[in-house]
Amino acid sequence: EVQLVESGGGLVQSGGSLRLSCAASGFTFSRYWMHWIRQAPGKGLVWVSAIYADGSNARYADSVRGRFTISRDNAKSTLFLQMTSLRAEDTAVYYCVRAPTTSFDTWGQGALVTVSS
Amino acid sequence: DIQMTQSPSSLCASVGDRVTITCRASQSISRNLNWYQQKPGKAPKLLIYDASSLQSGVPSRFSGSGSGTDFTLTISSLQPEDFATYYCQQSYATPPDTFGQGTKLEIK
Repeated sequence: EVQLVESGGGLVQSGGSLRLSCAASGFTFSRYWMHWIRQAPGKGLVWVSAIYADGSNARYADSVRGRFTISRDNAKSTLFLQMTSLRAEDTAVYYCVRAPTTSFDTWGQGALVTVSS
Repeated sequence: DIQMTQSPSSLCASVGDRVTITCRASQSISRNLNWYQQKPGKAPKLLIYDASSLQSGVPSRFSGSGSGTDFTLTISSLQPEDFATYYCQQSYATPPDTFGQGTKLEIK
């Protein structure tokens, strides 16, 4: 079974840091683009960041560029999102997502990040 | 960035109804349009990719159409499990991938 499981969410003060992890299983992780997509409470979906299959290319939304860093460990089939200088507006559920082509076909259950001001 | 606008934002319908949700892009996106379903407290689920291709395992009552700037998601006969929020997403010009604001489908 293809599965993505996020961890590392929690409550952090404004200006603080947090690192999300996403453990992948059931597929060859190293062959896929992987993304982080977030959803603020009661709001819609917002793309955050993506990383190429071999980790050589990373992309970021303007709102997080310079503060968030996406990375991956293909040997451990794990995706990461290092978040620094967190703001109240970063409060959201963060989803780890697989992208085989141009759609998002597998989503994790989500990790809640709450930034208190 | 390409803006995606869905209509309506919310919709009340009954089991057995035929329902159509519309998504409009701020510029042409060819057929690079995907649809997702999200139930409360759950992650989104891919329904339709490339405007009209049904994702494996998705019931055939779901269908998508359109190209360019205007797209539709149709549910031919609503089932109780279909009441959820639906999102469109463009993958034509990325980053960023952009989503519509969502359409909440509620029971009448």
